[in-house]
Amino acid sequence: DTEVTQTPKHLVMGMTNKKSLKCEQHMGHRAMYWYKQKAKKPPELMFVYSYEKLSINESVPSRFSPECPNSSLLNLHLHALQPEDSALYLCASSQKLAELYNEQFFGPGTRLTVL
Amino acid sequence: SQQGEEDPQALSIQEGENATMNCSYKTSINNLQWYRQNSGRGLVHLILIRSNEREKHSGRLRVTLDTSKKSSSLLITASRAADTASYFCATDARRDDKIIFGKGTRLHILP
Repeated sequence: DTEVTQTPKHLVMGMTNKKSLKCEQHMGHRAMYWYKQKAKKPPELMFVYSYEKLSINESVPSRFSPECPNSSLLNLHLHALQPEDSALYLCASSQKLAELYNEQFFGPGTRLTVL
Repeated sequence: SQQGEEDPQALSIQEGENATMNCSYKTSINNLQWYRQNSGRGLVHLILIRSNEREKHSGRLRVTLDTSKKSSSLLITASRAADTASYFCATDARRDDKIIFGKGTRLHILP
């Protein structure tokens, strides 16, 4: 299985809602990533987990809360988001962090709209 | 910023022609990767070139890397309609573990 899956595909939420994005991979990868991508822009790194521990937090607002319950799962908990947080949220995984040949495998993304 | 800069930002060519995209970056790297993204979907890894390599081929793709100029190019030969997508270069600096994506080139193949 060489696939990264993300659920849901689409999410519409109000600014007072709490929701979660989920990501799963079964490739035995030990590094997992969350990216945010606005239209016609490149993906922007948000968080990196390495061996289930948060390795990089790119100064993301606390209304985004990542969680890595095990080596296959990565969640992004959302609370009190703003309309400008509307974007495509991409999950990715790679074999390890800081490997010299660090190809990342991406999921299809969750299209988030905040009303 | 280490971020790569691709040019052109957008490119339209006839099917069957070759497409060339360029990427420039600012800091020393371990390797450089190219990814493709179809509209509104996840990215697909195309090819990785190491900092000590100068050229690499994969099917219709040819990537070059010039570390002295801090630049790379992606050539797609004999383009097809299915090649219509955005193409991003991604670099990882030697000093940290992050992969940073360039701004991307939107490629449109005309029938």
